[in-house]
Amino acid sequence: NAGVTQTPKFRILKIGQSMTLQCTQDMNHNYMYWYRQDPGMGLKLIYYSVGAGITDKGEVPNGYNVSRSTTEDFPLRLELAAPSQTSVYFCASIPGQGAWGNTIYFGEGSWLTVV
Amino acid sequence: KNEVEQSPQNLTAQEGEFITINCSYSVGISALHWLQQHPGGGIVSLFMLSSGKKKHGRLIATINIQEKHSSLHITASHPRDSAVYICAVSDIQGAQKLVFGQGTRLTINP
Repeated sequence: NAGVTQTPKFRILKIGQSMTLQCTQDMNHNYMYWYRQDPGMGLKLIYYSVGAGITDKGEVPNGYNVSRSTTEDFPLRLELAAPSQTSVYFCASIPGQGAWGNTIYFGEGSWLTVV
Repeated sequence: KNEVEQSPQNLTAQEGEFITINCSYSVGISALHWLQQHPGGGIVSLFMLSSGKKKHGRLIATINIQEKHSSLHITASHPRDSAVYICAVSDIQGAQKLVFGQGTRLTINP
């Protein structure tokens, strides 16, 4: 099992550009999340999904979009990148309903700089 | 006031010392997680607790639901334990979203 795989690991974007962070998990987990981590701050939830076709906003969704067409994939789209989106992004997953309080699995992180 | 507070924010100790990191939370939870983040960024889950105490090797995690407090202990600390330790709580709603503390940066000197 590869677990949770994120790509790219590093990316530099110019202001106004768009890009997609890819996230794939091979554990058949229902629940998936995108978090961002800013220096000195706790991770903040951007978007989450409880199953294919179902997504919802987290704490800091502005400037982002997501989709969940399959159980495995949960891409995060940045539209019109801004310097405030410079951060480290983590995708995570847990098995989901019927197994609350499960261990959470994180991807290795994606370092994004907007200049 | 943050919903999840960790203390201390930074901790430096000598190899072999007993380490304690504390976490207090103010919201209802279904579970509490202790996570480890090494330089380079990857985050791994150490423990998931809903009550009592868990032990894995030199690491011990406890939770007191009534006092809304958890501690992570490291016995016989080693330089390889140097990392950021993060406390996070799962909300009581169905989506199990995590709310994170700011992390405790631990440095163990040889």
